[in-house]
Amino acid sequence: NAGVTQTPKFQVLKTGQSMTLQCAQDMNHEYMSWYRQDPGMGLRLIHYSVGAGITDQGEVPNGYNVSRSTTEDFPLRLLSAAPSQTSVYFCASSYSAFSGANVLTFGAGSRLTVL
Amino acid sequence: KQEVTQIPAALSVPEGENLVLNCSFTDSAIYNLQWFRQDPGKGLTSLLLIQSSQREQTSGRLNASLDKSSGRSTLYIAASQPGDSATYLCAVRPRDTNAGKSTFGDGTTLTVKP
Repeated sequence: NAGVTQTPKFQVLKTGQSMTLQCAQDMNHEYMSWYRQDPGMGLRLIHYSVGAGITDQGEVPNGYNVSRSTTEDFPLRLLSAAPSQTSVYFCASSYSAFSGANVLTFGAGSRLTVL
Repeated sequence: KQEVTQIPAALSVPEGENLVLNCSFTDSAIYNLQWFRQDPGKGLTSLLLIQSSQREQTSGRLNASLDKSSGRSTLYIAASQPGDSATYLCAVRPRDTNAGKSTFGDGTTLTVKP
């Protein structure tokens, strides 16, 4: 049982390049989400999904795209990277969003630097 | 909009001391509140989850309480150890249509000195 797996762990991009951060979970979780963590800003929600085929925006969605074609995977796409997107990105999942009993489980994070 | 505040931002204590970390939130319409630990450069590890109908949860030396009516939670750490040094974050999961939008506090950075 691998939990929440994020790849890559580290990435350096040039301004304007595109890339995809991968997130996969093997716990049959319906809910998946992406956060970014910046010094002094805390954890901020980018996008989330309450089930396959359903996505919605969080607090800071601009510059990012997501899709949820399977229950297991929730990739985060940076369309045209900017230095302001330099951050640590975390993927998190839980069995359901609509229950108080469901623990939110985090991946190990992906550190992205945009030059 | 839900606001989550953690005070103090940093705390330094000698080994063996009992301590309390605080978390406050503005909207009591929540499914649960979860406490996490984050070590430098690492991901978040879940410590305790308290459902909205519960008052407290315990795990080993950790005890978390929830007072939904006043919008407060505390994390009590007994007999602190240097290995407890980390940043502790709380997060609230709102109810119903906003259930996908968990909100985090900025954390309390704890240092336990030998």
